[in-house]
This record gives sequence, structure tokens and C-alpha cells, in this order.
Amino acid sequence: DAGVTQSPTHLIKTRGQQVTLRCSPKSGHDTVSWYQQALGQGPQFIFQYYEEEERQRGNFPDRFSGHQFPNYSSELNVNALLLGDSALYLCASSRRDGPYNEQFFGPGTRLTVL
Amino acid sequence: GQNIDQPTEMTATEGAIVQINCTYQTSGFNGLFWYQQHAGEAPTFLSYNVLDGLEEKGRFSSFLSRSKGYSYLLLKELQMKDSASYLCAVSLDSWGKLQFGAGTQVVVTP
Repeated sequence: DAGVTQSPTHLIKTRGQQVTLRCSPKSGHDTVSWYQQALGQGPQFIFQYYEEEERQRGNFPDRFSGHQFPNYSSELNVNALLLGDSALYLCASSRRDGPYNEQFFGPGTRLTVL
Repeated sequence: GQNIDQPTEMTATEGAIVQINCTYQTSGFNGLFWYQQHAGEAPTFLSYNVLDGLEEKGRFSSFLSRSKGYSYLLLKELQMKDSASYLCAVSLDSWGKLQFGAGTQVVVTP
């Protein structure tokens, strides 16, 4: 049973560029959340997707957008990249009717903005 | 505002016990999680508390007091592989939205 997978593992971009990160949830999971983790900090909630809709959103600008597909996989898009967007981006999946909505995390995508 | 506070770093000797405290003040509460995160890796689940009291799971135990907004993670019989960051996270709603503390870096020395 594959866990949460993310691609790519690492990415280097320059300021002003756009990036797309991808996530496949754990088998049986229908909800995907995205988190940003800066170095030495805890993860920060970006947004959450369920039934292909953005269900709730954290305190991130509109440059951060996402999508969920019918197979429950998800993308995170970031436009007009800033140096401060450099971070580890974590995808977490869960089952809406699962026990205490435990979030299972993927290995993350390390984004570096130069 | 919303706050989750935990110490930045703790050092302990192999075989010893370490207790990581976490205090929280959040707009919602649907349980408290502890995660372990090795450098550059994904957080992995350690424990979940939603009712007051102690949950024990092998070498790891976690305690919650909702009235005090307080939790701790107890790591017993420390091993070198326990050197990692330990994240306290509050589930803010029934959808599992998590708010994390900054993490406590535990260093285990021989």
C-alpha cells in the first residue's frame, strides 16, 4: 500500500517564475491538505481540498492556488515566486470519515527560489 | 491570536528520559497530535490525545490537559535514532486542519 507521494523531490526556480507541485494521496484517502515548512519552523497550513473543491484556506496570498482531480490527487501552484517562498512543501492526506482525521504526510518537495 | 509553544531544543543521554512540553491557545480544538520529523523528511505520527489524561504507546507517552491548554510527550529509554524534531500540533476542526508549534529538536548523546 503506497503512502503519500509527491513530485518533484527538489526544485530550483528564480524569482518571478511559476511552479507546480504534485501529490498523490494514500490509497483510500479523499482529502488533501498542503503545508509550507520554512527552515527551523513547523508546517503552516496553506489549504485543503475535498471533492475537487478548496474547502478551507490558511493565511496565504492568492499567488498560491491548487486543484484536486477526480482520482483525489492534487496540485499546488505558486505564481510570481518570491525568495521567501523557499521552503519544504508538504502534502498530507486523510479520510473525511477516518478516525480523528489523522493526516499522513508525504516526503515533501524542497523548493529553492534564487 | 493562536499560539503553540514548545522548547526549541533539548539534549539528553542515551537510555534517559526526556519530557517535551507544549502549551497551546487556539480558536478551535479537535485533538492534539505529536509528530516526529527527521531532517529533510516527512513528519510521522506518534500520538493523538483528545481527552484529558495519559496515552501510552511503547517508549512514547503523551499527556493532555484541556483546561490548562497543556500537553507533553515523554520519551523513555532514549536511543540515538530518537534524535529528531518533535512537533506539537493542534487539530483545529473536524476536517483535521493542523496548527503546529515550531518543533523541539531533541539531541541524544552517547
